[in-house]
Amino acid sequence: AQKITQTQPGMFVQEKEAVTLDCTYDTSDPSYGLFWYKQPSSGEMIFLIYQGSYDQQNATEGRYSLNFQKARKSANLVISASQLGDSAMYFCAMRGSGGSNYKLTFGKGTLLTVNP
Amino acid sequence: DVKVTQSSRYLVKRTGEKVFLECVQDMDHENMFWYRQDPGLGLRLIYFSYDVKMKEKGDIPEGYSVSREKKERFSLILESASTNQTSMYLCASINRGITAITEAFFGQGTRLTVV
Repeated sequence: AQKITQTQPGMFVQEKEAVTLDCTYDTSDPSYGLFWYKQPSSGEMIFLIYQGSYDQQNATEGRYSLNFQKARKSANLVISASQLGDSAMYFCAMRGSGGSNYKLTFGKGTLLTVNP
Repeated sequence: DVKVTQSSRYLVKRTGEKVFLECVQDMDHENMFWYRQDPGLGLRLIYFSYDVKMKEKGDIPEGYSVSREKKERFSLILESASTNQTSMYLCASINRGITAITEAFFGQGTRLTVV
């Protein structure tokens, strides 16, 4: 069974500072992938970053980086130099391997508020 | 540039009605998913499909069924709508790749109200 846990219902950060959003996961699948999505108040789901379970290096995309600690089963999102437009709900998600194991599971989300 | 399309943005149905939510993707993806999103509960997986006519239960399948007769279309069916099925419903699709970067694409969501 897959499970994603996001323990921070809400987070606050000052503009231009960095913030870390926590995500832990559980799976018995040896091959899996981890995602982060942003959902602004408009409701659309915006893909931010992806990390494969066999990737040797942590994923980075612009101001977003994924701190992947496989032994701890954690995949925290780090946003550097926060901007007001980063205020949104953030979801961590995981997919399994192929066929019927290709389940895409989401956490409950973290609401990030960036203060000016 | 629309990739995943849900048939309705807003829907109001009566208790006991049979409700169909349609989702179509134009990316030739094998995997498709239906979620419901409720405040404080995140996205909860209802059903998913990894190929035509193949379906798997998600975490909250009770009260729902699905159909995937064609690769591009994945339908969610509420056999007898109830007020506790009032929610935002999101459809997503993703390709089969497990080694390359893969991104799930989402529809715009259907806000269903059951009265």
